[in-house]
Amino acid sequence: EAEVAQSPRYKITEKSQAVAFWCDPISGHATLYWYRQILGQGPELLVQFQDESVVDDSQLPKDRFSAERLKGVDSTLKIQPAELGDSAMYLCASSPRGERGYGYADTQYFGPGTRLTVL
Amino acid sequence: KNEVEQSPQNLTAQEGEFITINCSYSVGISALHWLQQHPGGGIVSLFMLSSGKKKHGRLIATINIQEKHSSLHITASHPRDSAVYICAVTSRGGSQGNLIFGKGTKLSVKP
Repeated sequence: EAEVAQSPRYKITEKSQAVAFWCDPISGHATLYWYRQILGQGPELLVQFQDESVVDDSQLPKDRFSAERLKGVDSTLKIQPAELGDSAMYLCASSPRGERGYGYADTQYFGPGTRLTVL
Repeated sequence: KNEVEQSPQNLTAQEGEFITINCSYSVGISALHWLQQHPGGGIVSLFMLSSGKKKHGRLIATINIQEKHSSLHITASHPRDSAVYICAVTSRGGSQGNLIFGKGTKLSVKP
């Protein structure tokens, strides 16, 4: 069964260092989401891509976070420099196009996540 | 006030008990999702519903659109059901496809 892949699964870094997370969505899924989940909270959206275009990055702290999906397939989320408050689970999800071949479908498929610890 | 509220936050049950987790939302939605998150972190989609009721094995999800309320029921609970259950909604008029998440309900089923 197709799955969303993420790496690394765990990352420990010191504050002020740069970190990068990778996500490979289910093949053919046009929409890709990056979420941040702080312990004890629900996930919050950081950025949404439709193909290679950013649909929503309104909650992405752009002074230190960047995300790209250059070829509309896999995606990288970067934090530079990392801060203590960035310690969280970073989840990637993807969804197929809507029924008519455009837009998005409601169901999202989640990857296993990357747990980031900033020391 | 959060747009999606879940109760209870934590729930401990004995194996075999019938479990109910509640979700209330305050926005117009196109769909409501119940998700399961195990301690390793991965999230699995259990149900997506926009009306009525869905059943899969021992899990049942219901939604009342007029009351903006949904419930997830687990019959004959088992320790392997221990996880965080998250309610999320796809809001109408919001950014396309975005989910609004509740904070989750942590379920622990004791043998």
